[in-house]
Amino acid sequence: EPEVTQTPSHQVTQMGQEVILRCVPISNHLYFYWYRQILGQKVEFLVSFYNNEISEKSEIFDDQFSVERPDGSNFTLKIRSTKLEDSAMYFCASTSGQLNTEAFFGQGTRLTVV
Amino acid sequence: KNQVEQSPQSLIILEGKNCTLQCNYTVSPFSNLRWYKQDTGRGPVSLTIMTFSENTKSNGRYTATLDADTKQSSLHITASQLSDSASYICVVSGLAAGNKLTFGGGTRVLVKP
Repeated sequence: EPEVTQTPSHQVTQMGQEVILRCVPISNHLYFYWYRQILGQKVEFLVSFYNNEISEKSEIFDDQFSVERPDGSNFTLKIRSTKLEDSAMYFCASTSGQLNTEAFFGQGTRLTVV
Repeated sequence: KNQVEQSPQSLIILEGKNCTLQCNYTVSPFSNLRWYKQDTGRGPVSLTIMTFSENTKSNGRYTATLDADTKQSSLHITASQLSDSASYICVVSGLAAGNKLTFGGGTRVLVKP
């Protein structure tokens, strides 16, 4: 069964460092998303991406964040200068269509900023 | 502000018993409502998706209901198994651009033998 894969599964970084979280969405999907979940809290929307551009972003997704689809398979989330409060589980998701289509989530990357 | 509220926050049930989880939402305009199962430290896995015209949908031992008028949904788990222990999250999608999902806080279910 096709799945969304994320790497690494766990990343520890020092405050102020840049991190890149990687995702390989399902191959024929067109819409890509990043969500995050701070420990003990709700999953929160960060950004959606379609046709090589951001279609929507939340207030969390400030100038420290960027997304890219550098080739036909990878979808990355970059945090330029990490803060302690960026520590969270980051989930990538993809869908084949826009409305009423199932969203498939990856297993997540646990980011710990120290 | 779009919100999804779930109750109870947690519950413990004995293996083989049934349980019902509740969800209320204020997302508007509404596109669809989903229930996800999330094991600890893992990504959410879809159980059901319902549009406003559907009022019930089943996936094995999971049955979801939707009342779009009152903006309420429920997830019923029948004949619970130990593997049902997880968080169950109600997720609502609006019609706004980007198709973002608004997540509830989840109900943590623990099934005991």
